[in-house]
Amino acid sequence: AQKITQTQPGMFVQEKEAVTLDCTYDTSDQSYGLFWYKQPSSGEMIFLIYQGSYDEQNATEGRYSLNFQKARKSANLVISASQLGDSAMYFCAMRGWLGAQKLVFGQGTRLTINP
Amino acid sequence: DAGVIQSPRHEVTEMGQEVTLRCKPISGHDYLFWYRQTMMRGLELLIYFNNNVPIDDSGMPEDRFSAKMPNASFSTLKIQPSEPRDSAVYFCASSFLAGGPRTDTQYFGPGTRLTVL
Repeated sequence: AQKITQTQPGMFVQEKEAVTLDCTYDTSDQSYGLFWYKQPSSGEMIFLIYQGSYDEQNATEGRYSLNFQKARKSANLVISASQLGDSAMYFCAMRGWLGAQKLVFGQGTRLTINP
Repeated sequence: DAGVIQSPRHEVTEMGQEVTLRCKPISGHDYLFWYRQTMMRGLELLIYFNNNVPIDDSGMPEDRFSAKMPNASFSTLKIQPSEPRDSAVYFCASSFLAGGPRTDTQYFGPGTRLTVL
């Protein structure tokens, strides 16, 4: 079974600063995938970034990067140069081996960007 | 390409009534998922289908819940009879596994906000 832990219920950051959202995971699978989703106040779930367990390099997508530390079982999301529009709930999720497509989500972190 | 489409976006009903939520996945996707989001339990997977076949329904809370996928472009989640504790946001998501890892990202619909009075 997979488990995701997000220990920061809320974070407040000044606009233009970088922010790191923490995510630790637990799994017995050797192959797995890690995902981050953003949920703005409008409610939709927006996919941000993916990291595979065998990827040697950290994933990047524009201002988003994933700090993947396999030995520590952490997959932190880094947002560079934060913007007001980044204010939202952020969810870390994992999928076990490729044949088991279930996603397990963490409880989320509410990020607020202050002007 | 159109994303995942869900209807209705909002549903208010009275306890005991039947509720049907609908989902149209992204064309070409071979997996479809139903999730429920509540403040208390967060996001939880209810059931998922592969090529229209239910694969895992262990998250379905009880017999009042049922889901079908009669074809590749349509799925329903039915609650009968509905109860106030079923009030939640229900998301449908779809993905495409056949391309291997990285392509199997799940894309979510806008959700249906269900309120049972």
